[in-house]
Amino acid sequence: GAVVSQHPSRVICKSGTSVKIECRSLDFQATTMFWYRQFPKQSLMLMATSNEGSKATYEQGVEKDKFLINHASLTLSTLTVTSAHPEDSSFYICSASPRALQETQYFGPGTRLLVL
Amino acid sequence: EDKVVQSPLSLVVHEGDTVTLNCSYEVTNFRSLLWYKQEKKAPTFLFMLTSSGIEKKSGRLSSILDKKELFSILNITATQTGDSAIYLCALTTGGTSYGKLTFGQGTILTVHP
Repeated sequence: GAVVSQHPSRVICKSGTSVKIECRSLDFQATTMFWYRQFPKQSLMLMATSNEGSKATYEQGVEKDKFLINHASLTLSTLTVTSAHPEDSSFYICSASPRALQETQYFGPGTRLLVL
Repeated sequence: EDKVVQSPLSLVVHEGDTVTLNCSYEVTNFRSLLWYKQEKKAPTFLFMLTSSGIEKKSGRLSSILDKKELFSILNITATQTGDSAIYLCALTTGGTSYGKLTFGQGTILTVHP
């Protein structure tokens, strides 16, 4: 149980385009989902907290107009990187907290984004 | 501001060695400390610690928390090449940050045959 999927697992896009990444909790309902970014050999940096049916809460320094988050249902959150640039290239990981176990986060497999 | 510091940042050992990874923290409204292992993809959960002095064990891995001195250690005995990974320590806190994980920088462990 407690599986989180992400799609796509890898994406290459041209500079200026937008990329949407999906995060799904497959066998549980997630009231809260989190989006992280990770650079090579570094730790995870929290970008935003996404609550179902409400606006996401962004961490300091993360541009909300650049990284659009939508949490439309209890099993799906999406992150859209708008007008992507090469410096947005990174590993993006989502996690989801089940309703009953809000201190436990289950991580998705991550999405590797390369912007050319 | 909440802070989580891991040490060492990287460690190279040989199979069979025992390693101790450290995680110290400064947070307000502590709730729990978690350890994760990350190989190529997303982190996998190892332990969650909430009480001081109670060791959690899983096979060759064990962890303990000291809430007075504000640190935790993760021990790995008889290391194997499959233990090579980034080990991440993270905290959860209460209040408005409830549910958020604050990660340390991670320790990169490399186990040579």
